[in-house]
Amino acid sequence: GQNIDQPTEMTATEGAIVQINCTYQTSGFNGLFWYQQHAGEAPTFLSYNVLDGLEEKGRFSSFLSRSKGYSYLLLKELQMKDSASYLCAVMDSNYQLIWGAGTKLIIKP
Amino acid sequence: GAVVSQHPSWVICKSGTSVKIECRSLDFQATTMFWYRQFPKQSLMLMATSNEGSKATYEQGVEKDKFLINHASLTLSTLTVTSAHPEDSSFYICSARTGALDTEAFFGQGTRLTVV
Repeated sequence: GQNIDQPTEMTATEGAIVQINCTYQTSGFNGLFWYQQHAGEAPTFLSYNVLDGLEEKGRFSSFLSRSKGYSYLLLKELQMKDSASYLCAVMDSNYQLIWGAGTKLIIKP
Repeated sequence: GAVVSQHPSWVICKSGTSVKIECRSLDFQATTMFWYRQFPKQSLMLMATSNEGSKATYEQGVEKDKFLINHASLTLSTLTVTSAHPEDSSFYICSARTGALDTEAFFGQGTRLTVV
């Protein structure tokens, strides 16, 4: 079956760095996405990786290793507004998105 | 990025009534639209995939007669929850892609449905 694993919850301090991991097992691979979702709102797109390596976009970076079925989202200089759920999703061979359950990130002052 | 507008943002309805949720792509043509359901503290659950002009493809366990999906044009898809019951209360989200093979999906704002 298809499976996306990510931690349920993480806590970090304002100004610090946090890494959210995601491992996946899917039938085929056409890219991995990270989305941010605030409570009661729809997800918003953060990043897309289809090749191995690190993609940097401002305070957020996303890494992918296809051979290991592994990705992480790195958030730097954490701000209180970064408190949200972070969803990892993989596009399979049928171009369907397989979603992880999300990681709730709690930022403390 | 592209904009997807979902309406209404929230709705309260009586048990047994039907509710229609609209999803519009405002600045692009969406050949494929997806309808998701999300319970509190859970991930998105794909309900169905709709392609313009054809019948929607429903995921296993989703009642097609209860959740009617119409994708009549390249910019509009609707989800109608028929004979709603309290257990249908949930957060419904649509997303759209310009093509089936496109990567990024654009999300609507979501609709919070409460059935009383």
